[in-house]
Amino acid sequence: GQSLEQPSEVTAVEGAIVQINCTYQTSGFYGLSWYQQHDGGAPTFLSYNALDGLEETGRFSSFLSRSDSYGYLLLQELQMKDSASYFCAVRDSTGANNLFFGTGTRLTVIP
Amino acid sequence: ETGVTQSPTHLIKTRGQQVTLRCSSQSGHNTVSWYQQALGQGPQFIFQYYREEENGRGNFPPRFSGLQFPNYSSELNVNALELDDSALYLCASSQTQLSNNEQFFGPGTRLTVL
Repeated sequence: GQSLEQPSEVTAVEGAIVQINCTYQTSGFYGLSWYQQHDGGAPTFLSYNALDGLEETGRFSSFLSRSDSYGYLLLQELQMKDSASYFCAVRDSTGANNLFFGTGTRLTVIP
Repeated sequence: ETGVTQSPTHLIKTRGQQVTLRCSSQSGHNTVSWYQQALGQGPQFIFQYYREEENGRGNFPPRFSGLQFPNYSSELNVNALELDDSALYLCASSQTQLSNNEQFFGPGTRLTVL
């Protein structure tokens, strides 16, 4: 089977940095993805790590350590609009070519 | 470039009824995946279609069925609706069945079963 663990809620101050962790268990690994979803909106793709290390895209960075089955999403210079749910996801290991999502981390940015 | 669209946006049905949800994939995408998202949870994979054929299925009963058409649009059908089927139904498209690290989601259909 597969499982993904993320903190359920995180609160951070505008302008600060926040890190959202994700640990995973999967029998086959094809990379870790991150998606953002605002209330009432569609999930939107943020980043993807197939290999160990840090990937940076503007204010967002994502890190992967395959040996630790661990990744994180780092959000810098937080803005109020970053308040949303953030999901880590892995590709299904059974060959069904779908994404298996974690339960999500609700980020609240406060002034 | 047109994004992923879904219809209807909201739907209310009663237990035992049947429902059909529709999705138009993003231009150039031949793969459509359907997900169910319960309140406060992550999306759960229902099934995927690639070039009009089912290409994988999650842990959902047979009363959840689907179709993909030659233009790569897709339908999700749910028969014998149950209260627990109340959820946001998302469709996502991608360029190939292997590029699911980046999927493009539609705005979803909010289904309420009474």
